[in-house]
Amino acid sequence: GAGVSQSPSNKVTEKGKDVELRCDPISGHTALYWYRQSLGQGLEFLIYFQGNSAPDKSGLPSDRFSAERTGGSVSTLTIQRTQQEDSAVYLCASSSVEGATQYFGPGTRLTVL
Amino acid sequence: AQTVTQSQPEMSVQEAETVTLSCTYDTSESNYYLFWYKQPPSRQMILVIRQEAYKQQNATENRFSVNFQKAAKSFSLKISDSQLGDTAMYFCAFMKHSGNNDMRFGAGTRLTVKP
Repeated sequence: GAGVSQSPSNKVTEKGKDVELRCDPISGHTALYWYRQSLGQGLEFLIYFQGNSAPDKSGLPSDRFSAERTGGSVSTLTIQRTQQEDSAVYLCASSSVEGATQYFGPGTRLTVL
Repeated sequence: AQTVTQSQPEMSVQEAETVTLSCTYDTSESNYYLFWYKQPPSRQMILVIRQEAYKQQNATENRFSVNFQKAAKSFSLKISDSQLGDTAMYFCAFMKHSGNNDMRFGAGTRLTVKP
C-alpha cells in the first residue's frame, strides 16, 4: 500500500511568517511522530500522537511549534513566526501499534530566509 | 535519558567488501528496540534492520547483520558484499519498549561505497 506522504516537499518562507506542514500516515497506523533533522544532524523528536490519547509534546522546542491530528489520520505541524534556526527537514513517521517499527515519509525541507 | 552515539562520522568501503558501522547507547531500560536506518540523498529514511533487546540472537537481513552486545550496550551494523547503492547516511536509533515510543537517534555515519 501507499507509504507515508508529506507535503510540501520543499517550503521557502520569510522570517516571521507562519508555515503548515502536512503528514498523511499509512492507512490504519495509529501512531504518528514528527521529527526535525537539521543540516548534517540526526533526527530530533518533536511530538507523538497515539490514537485518541493526548499527544506527547515534550520535544517541541518552543511555543511557536504546534501540531494537530484530525480524525486520527492526517497531521499538521504549524510553526508560527518562523526563525532562521527553524530551517531543517521535518520528517513524519507512523507505526501500526506502540513499539512497532516507524515508517518515514520523504520529509519537508523548510528554508527560512 | 537515552543517548545514542555513533563515533564514526564518515566511512568508506570498496565495492564487494565488508564494512562495520559502530553504535553505542546508554539506557537504564531493560527492554527496548534498536534500529538501523539508511538515508540516501533522496532523504527518505529506510529501515535496514531491527533488534529487540530481549532476543539474544542477532538480527540479519540479507547482506545486513548486527552484532548486539547488551551488556556492553553496543549495536554495530555489518554490511557484507557492499554495493554502490549502499552509499548513504546510516543512523542508529533506540526506542523504549513501553511508554513514549519516540526514537532517539545517533548523529549518523556517512558511508561511501567506492567502485
